[in-house]
Amino acid sequence: NAGVTQTPKFQVLKTGQSMTLQCAQDMNHNSMYWYRQDPGMGLRLIYYSASEGTTDKGEVPNGYNVSRLNKREFSLRLESAAPSQTSVYFCASSLTAGVSPLHFGNGTRLTVT
Amino acid sequence: QKEVEQNSGPLSVPEGAIASLNCTYSDRGSQSFFWYRQYSGKSPELIMSIYSNGDKEDGRFTAQLNKASQYVSLLIRDSQPSDSATYLCAVIPSGGGADGLTFGKGTHLIIQP
Repeated sequence: NAGVTQTPKFQVLKTGQSMTLQCAQDMNHNSMYWYRQDPGMGLRLIYYSASEGTTDKGEVPNGYNVSRLNKREFSLRLESAAPSQTSVYFCASSLTAGVSPLHFGNGTRLTVT
Repeated sequence: QKEVEQNSGPLSVPEGAIASLNCTYSDRGSQSFFWYRQYSGKSPELIMSIYSNGDKEDGRFTAQLNKASQYVSLLIRDSQPSDSATYLCAVIPSGGGADGLTFGKGTHLIIQP
């Protein structure tokens, strides 16, 4: 049972480069989320998708875009990476937004130089 | 602003003792409460859920909820070095919280052998 799978696990980018973080869940969950975690800042929500076909901004959406490709997959794109986007990124899913707990992927450690 | 507050620690507890982790929340209408454990360099892992006032026990873990005081706690009995981690308190706020959970910044727990 894979749960929530994120790729890649590690990535180093130069300022201005773009990349897409991939996330897939096999739990038939309806809702998916992207968080970033920085020392002393806790988990901060970037974007979320309460259900297939919808996406909404979270607390820190600037510099990011998302795509809910289907019920299983939710990708996060950095169009022009900046050093401030150096962070650990977590994808999560829940059965029903606002009711169920979140289940997290293993994370992507991104460094932007 | 709906907030979840935790003492960042570190909280140092001798092996075999009871570790007590505390969390307060500002949204009086919150209905669902969760504790996550996060080992260094790993993703948050759900360990307890509690929805009604009182205690809920699962093995060595007990979650306690007091909605009148807006307080939720996690007790870890017979603490082991493997319990050393950061513990995140999370809440689903009133109104459903389609944008997922509101997280505290976590308490760093150290179990001293």
